[in-house]
Amino acid sequence: GIQVEQSPPDLILQEGANSTLRCNFSDSVNNLQWFHQNPWGQLINLFYIPSGTKQNGRLSATTVATERYSLLYISSSQTTDSGVYFCAVAGRDYKLSFGAGTTVTVRA
Amino acid sequence: NAGVTQTPKFQVLKTGQSMTLQCAQDMNHNSMYWYRQDPGMGLRLIYYSASEGTTDKGEVPNGYNVSRLNKREFSLRLESAAPSQTSVYFCASSEDRNLGYTFGSGTRLTVV
Repeated sequence: GIQVEQSPPDLILQEGANSTLRCNFSDSVNNLQWFHQNPWGQLINLFYIPSGTKQNGRLSATTVATERYSLLYISSSQTTDSGVYFCAVAGRDYKLSFGAGTTVTVRA
Repeated sequence: NAGVTQTPKFQVLKTGQSMTLQCAQDMNHNSMYWYRQDPGMGLRLIYYSASEGTTDKGEVPNGYNVSRLNKREFSLRLESAAPSQTSVYFCASSEDRNLGYTFGSGTRLTVV
């Protein structure tokens, strides 16, 4: 399957700061999604973004499929942004594989 | 608008016992999935169903069976539970296997 690498593994932010999370993948993809897992374990789909750029409030994402990476931007971070952010990709087999995640801690 | 509903939320089993994890979605999605999440790791695909009537193995299918009962429901069965199956199990669905996923809230399973 496709290998997914996320960086950094951990990120500590002061409330109000901006940050960028990166996802590198090893092959061409048909599907790329970003998820947020909150401290209670719930997984929320943030973006379905196999290519291009999308924005949703303070969050935005860009996928450059030809260069095999995706970026998730968090602006004006809030304590509710804390949790683990996962990138997940699928290739021709349609099996979505997850990266190990980036743990984000936002301090008030 | 419940989305994806998983039952039970918590379960403790003894080694060798069997159980079925239930999953139902009310979004008329075609594809459904079972993942497990272990501490410090991402999610790993156990089985999936691209459409009603079909199922296929994922990355870690050993020790599990699945049934796509109808379009709404996709169950995961452990025939003889082992401590290595202690995990949090997530069910997900999508309109199509190549679109965005919606996850349930998870089942925390402990095998002792």
